[in-house]
Amino acid sequence: GAVVSQHPSRVICKSGTSVKIECRSLDFQATTMFWYRQFPKQSLMLMATSNEGSKATYEQGVEKDKFLINHASLTLSTLTVTSAHPEDSSFYICSAGDRTSGNTIYFGEGSWLTVV
Amino acid sequence: EDKVVQSPLSLVVHEGDTVTLNCSYEVTNFRSLLWYKQEKKAPTFLFMLTSSGIEKKSGRLSSILDKKELFSILNITATQTGDSAIYLCAVLNNNAGNMLTFGGGTRLMVKP
Repeated sequence: GAVVSQHPSRVICKSGTSVKIECRSLDFQATTMFWYRQFPKQSLMLMATSNEGSKATYEQGVEKDKFLINHASLTLSTLTVTSAHPEDSSFYICSAGDRTSGNTIYFGEGSWLTVV
Repeated sequence: EDKVVQSPLSLVVHEGDTVTLNCSYEVTNFRSLLWYKQEKKAPTFLFMLTSSGIEKKSGRLSSILDKKELFSILNITATQTGDSAIYLCAVLNNNAGNMLTFGGGTRLMVKP
């Protein structure tokens, strides 16, 4: 069945550096993907909607210059956390919907980011 | 703005107990409601509910939707320690593509 793959699953980076997280739809094309963030013991919070070939739509309170989203193809969206700070440490998850299978929504495996 | 509220926030039960998790929602143009189970990684899909009054069942888990009263419940019977997780409820809005609006989740702990 359709799968959404996210990479890396875990990353540790130093403060001030940038980290890129990839989200790929493996068996289907996704014109739209979604990026969520989750702090410990909290629910998923939508950060932004990634649109293939156009600018991402960010939720209120999410800095677009800090969380750069690129959706250059129908199967790949990337989230880059720029100038990372320890407070950016979190679990980041992407999702995409497969229209060919009843619009089932699939999640990536998630990426644990730790900024030290 | 779409809103999803789950209750209780957390729950501790013993193996064999039955639990009911609640999810109420406000959505401008409702498409469907989804339940997910989340352990240590990404959420795993449990149910998608679109029609009112039709129970969906998978093993010891079942769920039903009431579109008139705008809520859904997730039942787990004969709970096991492996059911310990966060259970997330989310809604899809017809105007928002595949964007999910999540509730705050219910943290379930099943003790031996």
